Amino acid sequence: GQQLNQSPQSMFIQEGEDVSMNCTSSSIFNTWLWYKQDPGEGPVLLIALYKAGELTSNGRLTAQFGITRKDSFLNISASIPSDVGIYFCAGQRSGNTPLVFGKGTRLSVIA
Amino acid sequence: ETGVTQTPRHLVMGMTNKKSLKCEQHLGHNAMYWYKQSAKKPLELMFVYNFKEQTENNSVPSRFSPECPNSSHLFLHLHTLQPEDSALYLCASSQGTGVDTQYFGPGTRLTVL
Repeated sequence: GQQLNQSPQSMFIQEGEDVSMNCTSSSIFNTWLWYKQDPGEGPVLLIALYKAGELTSNGRLTAQFGITRKDSFLNISASIPSDVGIYFCAGQRSGNTPLVFGKGTRLSVIA
Repeated sequence: ETGVTQTPRHLVMGMTNKKSLKCEQHLGHNAMYWYKQSAKKPLELMFVYNFKEQTENNSVPSRFSPECPNSSHLFLHLHTLQPEDSALYLCASSQGTGVDTQYFGPGTRLTVL
């Protein structure tokens, strides 16, 4: 089946640092989504991307839909302690096809 | 609060028990989903319902039985589960099953003894 390779698996950073993570696939996706999951909660949508090359921001978060449509990137600027959690990418090939999720990037922020 | 609620939040059951998980969405969506989240694995889609009709069953064992009585409610009936079924079970909803954002509930943490 389709797989998304998300990296890194985990990150330990100092408060105030910028963070980058990415997701790649061998298949083309027409939609890329980024979710964050806090401990004991379900994933919450951060950013949705619908067009190749699209760059979208949500506060300190910026995500990009790769030009090849096979990858996506998420950047967090000036990290703060509440950024701690697991970040998931998800891709959808087309309407009515299931979302495919990456394994997640676990982010730890050291104050 | 995402508008999707799940009960119970935690459940411990023996292998011979029968229990049910409940999901309710207050978003006016037409599609609802069950996912299984195990440690160090991607979210696994289990079932999809669109306008109360099941449109996807991702080769899920029959010991998991979904029920969707209306577009706002989704159940997952459990019986004779195995310890490897222990996981976080997440419900999600979306406007439709096309390119529509899915909103997740907080999940039910299930432990099978």
